[in-house]
Amino acid sequence: EPEVTQTPSHQVTQMGQEVILRCVPISNHLYFYWYRQILGQKVEFLVSFYNNEISEKSEIFDDQFSVERPDGSNFTLKIRSTKLEDSAMYFCASSEMEDTEAFFGQGTRLTVV
Amino acid sequence: GESVGLHLPTLSVQEGDNSIINCAYSNSASDYFIWYKQESGKGPQFIIDIRSNMDKRQGQRVTVLLNKTVKHLSLQIAATQPGDSAVYFCAENMQGNTPLVFGKGTRLSVIA
Repeated sequence: EPEVTQTPSHQVTQMGQEVILRCVPISNHLYFYWYRQILGQKVEFLVSFYNNEISEKSEIFDDQFSVERPDGSNFTLKIRSTKLEDSAMYFCASSEMEDTEAFFGQGTRLTVV
Repeated sequence: GESVGLHLPTLSVQEGDNSIINCAYSNSASDYFIWYKQESGKGPQFIIDIRSNMDKRQGQRVTVLLNKTVKHLSLQIAATQPGDSAVYFCAENMQGNTPLVFGKGTRLSVIA
C-alpha cells in the first residue's frame, strides 16, 4: 500500500540552527501539507502546497519556515533558525485532491535544545 | 473553536463493547469530515470520512454519523478491540479551502 515517508524519524538540533525535514508523498498525489503536533496537543496546520507553490499557510508558518519540492518526489520543510518552541512532531501529508482524505507520514520528532 | 490543552477527554470501554466518540465542529461551512486514529508515536491514520450531503456512513466495524444541525460528528466502533486503543481526532474541511482543521482528540482505552 502506498504511504507517505518521512526522514529523519527524530532530529535533535541546537537553538538557532537550521533543520530540513524531508518527505516523500504518495506518488500520484497532487496536494502536499505540513502539520505539526506539540506533545499532547492537537494537530495544527502549517502549510499546503500545490502546483509548485504554497496554496495556504497558517499563522504559525512565519518567515523562518519554507517549503520546497526540489524534484519530482521530495517535499521538504526548512526551519531557518530553530527556537525551543519549535520542538514538536512534524507530519507531512498528501492527498489526491484538495477535498479528499489526506494520508499522513509517521512524523519527524524535532527536539530543539 | 475548541481549546487546546494537555488533557484529552478519555473514554474507557471493555473489550467487545461498542465505543462512541464525539466531536463538535466549529465551522458551519465545513462540508467534509474525517476521523483519524493516532497511536502513540505515529502519524494520524485515516479511518473513515463523510461529506455533508450524507448523515451516516459505514465502514468495517466503524460508523460515522453527522448532524449538521448541531454541528456534531460521532464515530462508533463496534466490538472494540485492544488494538483500537489510540487517540481519535475528527477533522473538518471546507471545499475550496485546503487545510484540514483538527479537533482536540479523544483518548480511547480498551480494557481487556
